[in-house]
Amino acid sequence: ILNVEQSPQSLHVQEGDSTNFTCSFPSSNFYALHWYRWETAKSPEALFVMTLNGDEKKKGRISATLNTKEGYSYLYIKGSQPEDSATYLCAHTSGTYKYIFGTGTRLKVLA
Amino acid sequence: GAGVSQSPSNKVTEKGKDVELRCDPISGHTALYWYRQSLGQGLEFLIYFQGNSAPDKSGLPSDRFSAERTGGSVSTLTIQRTQQEDSAVYLCASSFGSGEGSYEQYFGPGTRLTVT
Repeated sequence: ILNVEQSPQSLHVQEGDSTNFTCSFPSSNFYALHWYRWETAKSPEALFVMTLNGDEKKKGRISATLNTKEGYSYLYIKGSQPEDSATYLCAHTSGTYKYIFGTGTRLKVLA
Repeated sequence: GAGVSQSPSNKVTEKGKDVELRCDPISGHTALYWYRQSLGQGLEFLIYFQGNSAPDKSGLPSDRFSAERTGGSVSTLTIQRTQQEDSAVYLCASSFGSGEGSYEQYFGPGTRLTVT
């Protein structure tokens, strides 16, 4: 993988469902993996910065895991709520100032 | 405290006109980035400023695009002779850090540019 890829592009879930999506990135020259949440009409907001293989981060109902050897990160949302509706972006860095962003996963939580 | 601010929030301009977009980063942040997101695309890196160092302009798509950062704070992105393909959301972000990519970026709300 040469670029940062996110899947799925979009998904709709019912309120209360748990969901997860994937960020794939180049496994060579890894330095950090960032997750951001971008709600409509707002600024992208940082969720997690992950640097270590096997790292797990958690913030409320949202958690993320990281596998640097195979080049992927999962973002999990437990018990989705309508306010979780947003685009979730991941970005990879390889030790420089350049953040390579994926195209995002657009989540819509239906009440 | 105050976050990153951008102005204007929306700009509609006619093809061929020049536009100037402004970004006020968080005070004390040495790094400043400009990105754009075109419809259906990811965030595209445009330019990076770090302190008083020469900026990395490698992401600017053409010589119609230029940016400056005055006094290590406010930045302006100028697009000359706008084209329809310049229509996008332009985001500014600032952060601490010396540029190794581990610091979170703080984003502004963006400027939505529409070229008619």
